[in-house]
Amino acid sequence: AQSVTQPDIHITVSEGASLELRCNYSYGATPYLFWYVQSPGQGLQLLLKYFSGDTLVQGIKGFEAEFKRSQSSFNLRKPSVHWSDAAEYFCAVGETAGNKLTFGGGTRVLVKP
Amino acid sequence: ETGVTQTPRHLVMGMTNKKSLKCEQHLGHNAMYWYKQSAKKPLELMFVYNFKEQTENNSVPSRFSPECPNSSHLFLHLHTLQPEDSALYLCASSQDGGGTNTEAFFGQGTRLTVV
Repeated sequence: AQSVTQPDIHITVSEGASLELRCNYSYGATPYLFWYVQSPGQGLQLLLKYFSGDTLVQGIKGFEAEFKRSQSSFNLRKPSVHWSDAAEYFCAVGETAGNKLTFGGGTRVLVKP
Repeated sequence: ETGVTQTPRHLVMGMTNKKSLKCEQHLGHNAMYWYKQSAKKPLELMFVYNFKEQTENNSVPSRFSPECPNSSHLFLHLHTLQPEDSALYLCASSQDGGGTNTEAFFGQGTRLTVV
């Protein structure tokens, strides 16, 4: 069975500083990997996805993620965070592009002025 | 606007009530999903529908009853719920199979409180 682990429940970062969110997955085949963001009271918005090809993936809002098969990781990064990046971030793995997603527990990001 | 609309946004119901959650997608997708997001557990998949047919029931109690009358609409009928069923219920859709796959697009969710 597939599983996703996000080791950090909370991260606090200063505005303008860099951000890295960790994600490790367990999956028997080539995974479909995703990062979603959720603002308070809202649904999930897709930041980026990895299906195949280049292992460094660019997403919206200045985010990027790197797929490392040897480490079973798909960490999310942003060079300089903005106050509007305060939200909860979810890593997910799927059997196909959108079907049967398994989510990690989420990482809540707080941004200090 | 994500193309997936859920109503109502908030719902408070008693344990003996019957209510329904509605989801509509305007994206032409063929697959729809219900997910549950509770405070103490990760997002979990409840049901999957492909071309109106239920293809997955992730061991969900029978007090939750899904209905998919067509590829654009998905309902979750609720009856005799428990307080621990209070959660954010998220609907999603995707194009799955047929050579054109997309990621899942999520609605804004229905915040359900069972009293």
